[in-house]
Amino acid sequence: DTGVSQDPRHKITKRGQNVTFRCDPISEHNRLYWYRQTLGQGPEFLTYFQNEAQLEKSRLLSDRFSAERPKGSFSTLEIQRTEQGDSAMYLCASSRGTGRPGELFFGEGSRLTVL
Amino acid sequence: QQQVKQSPQSLIVQKGGIPIINCAYENTAFDYFPWYQQFPGKGPALLIAIRPDVSEKKEGRFTISFNKSAKQFSLHIMDSQPGDSATYFCAASHEKEAGTALIFGKGTTLSVSS
Repeated sequence: DTGVSQDPRHKITKRGQNVTFRCDPISEHNRLYWYRQTLGQGPEFLTYFQNEAQLEKSRLLSDRFSAERPKGSFSTLEIQRTEQGDSAMYLCASSRGTGRPGELFFGEGSRLTVL
Repeated sequence: QQQVKQSPQSLIVQKGGIPIINCAYENTAFDYFPWYQQFPGKGPALLIAIRPDVSEKKEGRFTISFNKSAKQFSLHIMDSQPGDSATYFCAASHEKEAGTALIFGKGTTLSVSS
């Protein structure tokens, strides 16, 4: 396993700009999750993919957020018209579809700072 | 609505002590209860997990105790070491239902002094 990899690790942007984060899951994992974590809080679920299908979205995922997972491999999370409240760590995780699907393996996250 | 409540928020113990972190859940459909460990600047890493068919699980110095009737579970760290200083999160999910994501507690920051 090479682990879940996320890029970029850090992003500083001005309010109103668009940002995109990329996640490469563990190769044999067909489930992929996005979470958001703010300081002093646990990760909060944003959205989930099984292969290329986006099966669940949290109410936290406003219209400014969009996620894709073309071909069921890597995933991108785009935030349009960023706001200061979007500043957080965006975590990606992956898991197997069978066996132990609940065991999520997290990447190191992409930290977003909106000025 | 917070579905997983974790306590305490922070904990300080001396080396060799046994910190205990508690979690309570509301959704009786939950059937998978992991604990994650997170160091500053890193993503959470799975530490140990339990399913409701057992009341206790041990892996090395880490033990989960599970009380299904009380809807509570806890993490015990035996012979704690300074390297255990981290933030610990409990979580829960309905693993058998496809697409049900992990719901996390708010975390406990553990400091182990030498």
